[in-house]
Amino acid sequence: AQKITQTQPGMFVQEKEAVTLDCTYDTSDPSYGLFWYKQPSSGEMIFLIYQGSYDQQNATEGRYSLNFQKARKSANLVISASQLGDSAMYFCAMRGPSNDYKLSFGAGTTVTVRA
Amino acid sequence: DGGITQSPKYLFRKEGQNVTLSCEQNLNHDAMYWYRQDPGQGLRLIYYSQIVNDFQKGDIAEGYSVSREKKESFPLTVTSAQKNPTAFYLCASSPTRGTGETQYFGPGTRLLVL
Repeated sequence: AQKITQTQPGMFVQEKEAVTLDCTYDTSDPSYGLFWYKQPSSGEMIFLIYQGSYDQQNATEGRYSLNFQKARKSANLVISASQLGDSAMYFCAMRGPSNDYKLSFGAGTTVTVRA
Repeated sequence: DGGITQSPKYLFRKEGQNVTLSCEQNLNHDAMYWYRQDPGQGLRLIYYSQIVNDFQKGDIAEGYSVSREKKESFPLTVTSAQKNPTAFYLCASSPTRGTGETQYFGPGTRLLVL
């Protein structure tokens, strides 16, 4: 069974500073994918970034980067230069082997950006 | 524009009533999913479908039913057997090939019990 753990229920960050959101996962499959989604107060889930288990480089997408430490089974999201619009709930998710497209989600972390 | 639409945005259910949530996508994705989200929690998978006329139960399928008669559509019925249906329901779709098979989500439907 796959399990995703996000241990930070809520975080505050000052505008223009960086913030790191923790995510650890547990799987026995060698092939898997890791995702981060943003959920603003409107409720829609917005895809941010993806990391494959065989990818050699850490994924980056604009101000988002994923700190992938495979041996430690962690996939932390780093948001650089935080903006007020980054205030939202953030979810880490994992997809299993390549023929199983289901996602397992963590409980989420609420980020509040202060001016 | 390509995307996923869900309707209605809000839905009210009376005791003993079945209600159906709509999900349509024009992304030409093979796979579609239904998730339930309770306040302050993550998403839990209800049902998913990887191809037309086929679907599988997720982690919390009891009290729900689905159909997949068309590639673009994956409606979810919340039956009277679902005793605690109040939640936020999200539909998603993904390709079954390509980088990560990333799931993209619709705007969601909030279901409330009267």
